[in-house]
Amino acid sequence: NAGVMQNPRHLVRRRGQEARLRCSPMKGHSHVYWYRQLPEEGLKFMVYLQKENIIDESGMPKERFSAEFPKEGPSILRIQQVVRGDSAAYFCASSPEETGGGYTFGSGTRLTVV
Amino acid sequence: SQKIEQNSEALNIQEGKTATLTCNYTNYSPAYLQWYRQDPGRGPVFLLLIRENEKEKRKERLKVTFDTTLKQSLFHITASQPADSATYLCALPGRTYKYIFGTGTRLKVLA
Repeated sequence: NAGVMQNPRHLVRRRGQEARLRCSPMKGHSHVYWYRQLPEEGLKFMVYLQKENIIDESGMPKERFSAEFPKEGPSILRIQQVVRGDSAAYFCASSPEETGGGYTFGSGTRLTVV
Repeated sequence: SQKIEQNSEALNIQEGKTATLTCNYTNYSPAYLQWYRQDPGRGPVFLLLIRENEKEKRKERLKVTFDTTLKQSLFHITASQPADSATYLCALPGRTYKYIFGTGTRLKVLA
């Protein structure tokens, strides 16, 4: 009964390249949330998705960032033309329903832009 | 705008003592509040949820209070152990059921 699986754990990209972060939610969970965490800072909400729908992307930059959660397969957070400021830990969480309950987080992807 | 404040300074306590962490919020009337634990290099782990009509909630050595008048939650760890050393985050629901997290308080329990 695997938890939330994120891959890769570590990702190094040169400035201008694309980064693709994957998240497979827990079995039975249909809600996925992406958060970004900078060193010594809190978790910042980016986007909330359900299968094939973006519910809330208010925390995601309008340019270069996109997210999807297709009918089949993992959720993908995509960052195009990465810059040094994108270096952070990106966490995915899932939940079975909207109200109450806690999130189950993955171990995160640490993106380093060189 | 909604704001959550946790003491950003690390809290050092002696093993066996009770650790008390604070979460204050403003411009908010949440129906519930959550606490998470985060270890270095790991994702947060859900610990407890407390609803607005619950003044206190316990789970083993953990106790959480929720004072909607003061707009504050207190998180207590009794008989603390070095293994309790971690960063503790409080989280409140925002619109569309996403959670807004505080910056966390780092707890270090000294043996």
